[in-house]
Amino acid sequence: EAGVAQSPRYKIIEKRQSVAFWCNPISGHATLYWYQQILGQGPKLLIQFQNNGVVDDSQLPKDRFSAERLKGVDSTLKIQPAKLEDSAVYLCASSPPGLPVDTQYFGPGTRLTVL
Amino acid sequence: SQELEQSPQSLIVQEGKNLTINCTSSKTLYGLYWYKQKYGEGLIFLMMLQKGGEEKSHEKITAKLDEKKQQSSLHITASQPSHAGIYLCGADAVSGSARQLTFGSGTQLTVLP
Repeated sequence: EAGVAQSPRYKIIEKRQSVAFWCNPISGHATLYWYQQILGQGPKLLIQFQNNGVVDDSQLPKDRFSAERLKGVDSTLKIQPAKLEDSAVYLCASSPPGLPVDTQYFGPGTRLTVL
Repeated sequence: SQELEQSPQSLIVQEGKNLTINCTSSKTLYGLYWYKQKYGEGLIFLMMLQKGGEEKSHEKITAKLDEKKQQSSLHITASQPSHAGIYLCGADAVSGSARQLTFGSGTQLTVLP
């Protein structure tokens, strides 16, 4: 079974530039998550999708971050414009449907450096 | 909101030694997940615990959830260099209709050959 795919793996940009990350979840996984992991910290949830609808985006800085999940499969996360504090690893995860327990499977992440 | 505190923040052990990592929650844990992360890579799922007193093992790694369901421990027996990495605990939190994970800040494990 193929895992969660993310691209690019690394990205270096200057502040005020724009950047986009792509995620392809495991086939059949309805829920998709984007996390931000700053060096030395645990991942922090930015946004959660159920199919192509947003379930929770309460921690997404909406003035500069946006995300979409077209057709309930792939997802993109965009930052416009980037700030120095956005330097982090951006992780995408997906989980299969079903309650009460679900387990999240993570992609390799995109390491963003903002200069 | 739920907060998870991991201890120690970092750990350096000699190969072959046993070690324990702790994860303490500010609220009752309904689901506790342990993940491992290597530098530059994503998180790898290790184990999930749900019931108070539950214990699970995989190879040389054992995780326990205490009876009161506010603390979990991860124990590695006879550590090897392949065990090196960052260990993260994640708590199953419910926010409205969403099921989410809140993570601790991680424990950096170094195993010296």
